[in-house]
Amino acid sequence: GAGVSQSPRYKVTKRGQDVALRCDPISGHVSLYWYRQALGQGPEFLTYFNYEAQQDKSGLPNDRFSAERPEGSISTLTIQRTEQRDSAMYRCASSPRTGGGLSGNTIYFGEGSWLTVV
Amino acid sequence: AQSVTQPDIHITVSEGASLELRCNYSYGATPYLFWYVQSPGQGLQLLLKYFSGDTLVQGIKGFEAEFKRSQSSFNLRKPSVHWSDAAEYFCAVSTKAAGNKLTFGGGTRVLVKP
Repeated sequence: GAGVSQSPRYKVTKRGQDVALRCDPISGHVSLYWYRQALGQGPEFLTYFNYEAQQDKSGLPNDRFSAERPEGSISTLTIQRTEQRDSAMYRCASSPRTGGGLSGNTIYFGEGSWLTVV
Repeated sequence: AQSVTQPDIHITVSEGASLELRCNYSYGATPYLFWYVQSPGQGLQLLLKYFSGDTLVQGIKGFEAEFKRSQSSFNLRKPSVHWSDAAEYFCAVSTKAAGNKLTFGGGTRVLVKP
């Protein structure tokens, strides 16, 4: 597609339910990133992939959070047993080659998925 | 630990006036520096980036930023603001050691008065 596409754009879920957020990166982009942004704050890194391999998951807050990118394209961020503190915007981004913020590689962000846990 | 500070949470500026947004970082290594803008209902759009070379970088929409190593700053400027510049602006930093992780500041929301 023309840009990074995320779905759903808005999700309201009850505490304790599992949620899956989907990201479709720009076609051909090698690297895919997940960030979380709470209200009034800047985005915080969660995890990233090069192709289908998860390179860094150090930003995932706990083991309720997981991400996969099985075929090196679309990615899913899953939050199990959601809690109210998980409410935030979840942003996906992609870049055309590995290296993220290095060496002139630009990261393109999607519009985000707003998650509200009630 | 790496950190990025945007001291101004909100800035109000009149249309046609100049704008400067501050960004300070705390890193041990030479940083790569970015400014992103988030307009309502939009994703984060890259305005400009600095990797090396000339410390004054030009970006899209008439924005520029200057890297000052001695002040650990990367302030964003625009000589004449348009109403469409009303948005939230984020400074972000990464380093070679940090790999692909962008560390963002808390953002500055810009309001433009007619």
